Amino acid sequence: ELKVEQNPLFLSMQEGKNYTIYCNYSTTSDRLYWYRQDPGKSLESLFVLLSNGAVKQEGRLMASLDTKARLSTLHITAAVHDLSATYFCAVDKYGGATNKLIFGTGTLLAVQP
Amino acid sequence: SAVISQKPSRDICQRGTSLTIQCQVDSQVTMMFWYRQQPGQSLTLIATANQGSEATYESGFVIDKFPISRPNLTFSTLTVSNLSPEDSSIYLCSVDVSPYEQYFGPGTRLTVT
Repeated sequence: ELKVEQNPLFLSMQEGKNYTIYCNYSTTSDRLYWYRQDPGKSLESLFVLLSNGAVKQEGRLMASLDTKARLSTLHITAAVHDLSATYFCAVDKYGGATNKLIFGTGTLLAVQP
Repeated sequence: SAVISQKPSRDICQRGTSLTIQCQVDSQVTMMFWYRQQPGQSLTLIATANQGSEATYESGFVIDKFPISRPNLTFSTLTVSNLSPEDSSIYLCSVDVSPYEQYFGPGTRLTVT
């Protein structure tokens, strides 16, 4: 059974600091998704990583994918309070273009002033 | 992208009753998905709904409990039947805008008393 694990589950960080969220998955997949969820809100798509070595950046967030290690990272640079949210990674359940997603456990990020 | 709406946004239901959730998309899409997010948890895929065919359910979810309709390419309903407090969750629909992108609706927050 495909498992998607994130760590840490909770991250409290100060503004201006850097940190990385890790997403490990247990079977092969050619794509990986990152979503953001604010409290009481739906999911906002951040990144879709489609190949080994893929790197995408948007503002203070940068995501990368290593399909051989079955690992994706979401790196936060110089955090600001507005980044406080829960971040989920997700993997296609069947490793391909089914869009049936298995979500990670989520990482609750709290950026302190 | 796609604009997705869900009705109702929230509801409080009595044990033993049913709730039908509607999902409307502003463009035609092939596949629609229904997810459940239990309190403080990640998202779990319930089923996939294609227009003109029976929904495909994931392990642990059955049609008698979660009947789904997909009458056309822009609309789907999920019914949660014979409600129990364990069904209290947020239910989200999502659509695949492209092979690589999946967007989520705002969610329906269900509380069962």
